[in-house]
Amino acid sequence: AQKVTQAQTEISVVEKEDVTLDCVYETRDTTYYLFWYKQPPSGELVFLIRRNSFDEQNEISGRYSWNFQKSTSSFNFTITASQVVDSAVYFCALAYTDKLIFGTGTRLQVFP
Amino acid sequence: AAGVIQSPRHLIKEKRETATLKCYPIPRHDTVYWYQQGPGQDPQFLISFYEKMQSDKGSIPDRFSAQQFSDYHSELNMSSLELGDSALYFCASSFFRHYLAKNIQYFGAGTRLSVL
Repeated sequence: AQKVTQAQTEISVVEKEDVTLDCVYETRDTTYYLFWYKQPPSGELVFLIRRNSFDEQNEISGRYSWNFQKSTSSFNFTITASQVVDSAVYFCALAYTDKLIFGTGTRLQVFP
Repeated sequence: AAGVIQSPRHLIKEKRETATLKCYPIPRHDTVYWYQQGPGQDPQFLISFYEKMQSDKGSIPDRFSAQQFSDYHSELNMSSLELGDSALYFCASSFFRHYLAKNIQYFGAGTRLSVL
C-alpha cells in the first residue's frame, strides 16, 4: 500500500532556528516520486520540490534543503534560519499512478 | 506566469442544493485533478482527466461528477449537497506528456464550499 507518514503534527520555533520536518513513505513501486507542498494560512498549496527514486542526492534551495534516504524510506525537509513567513502547514506527498497521496501535514509556527 | 484559476473562491449553499466548481488549468497543461480538503485534514484525491478523458478516480461520491472540456477547463458538479461536503476543493494541473515535468501538480487557490 502507498502511504505517507508525517509524525510531527505541530512544531513551534523562534525565528532563526533551524527546523526539520520528517516524512516517511511506504510504496511497493521501484520508481516513484516524492513531493513537498506548503500551505500558508491563505490556503493555497504551493509546490516546493519533486524528487524521483533514482536520485538520492540531497538538494538545497536557499534556506530549504531536502534529505532523501531510500534505506530508511524518508524524505525530510529542513528550513535553515527560519522566518515568520515560513509559518504554514507542510505536506509531504507520494505520487501513485498520477494522483498524490498526502501525509497529514506538519503545522510549523515560527515566532518572532 | 499563469497559474491554475479556480472559481468561485467561496461558495455558500444550502443542504440538498447543487454546486458547480470551475477550474482553468495552466496553459498547455493537459491533465486536471480535483482534490477535497476537509478542515484540518490533508487533501484527498477525487478524480482526474487527461485529454478530456477520465484517467483516475478516487473517493468521489456518486453525487459528484466532473468533466474536462475541449479547452481543457474542468468543472466539478456536486448535487444533493450535505453538511459533510463543506471543504476546500482544489484543482491542480500538470503537463503529463513532458517527462521532466511528469507528475508535478500545480494547484489553484481552491474553492471554499460551505454547506449550511
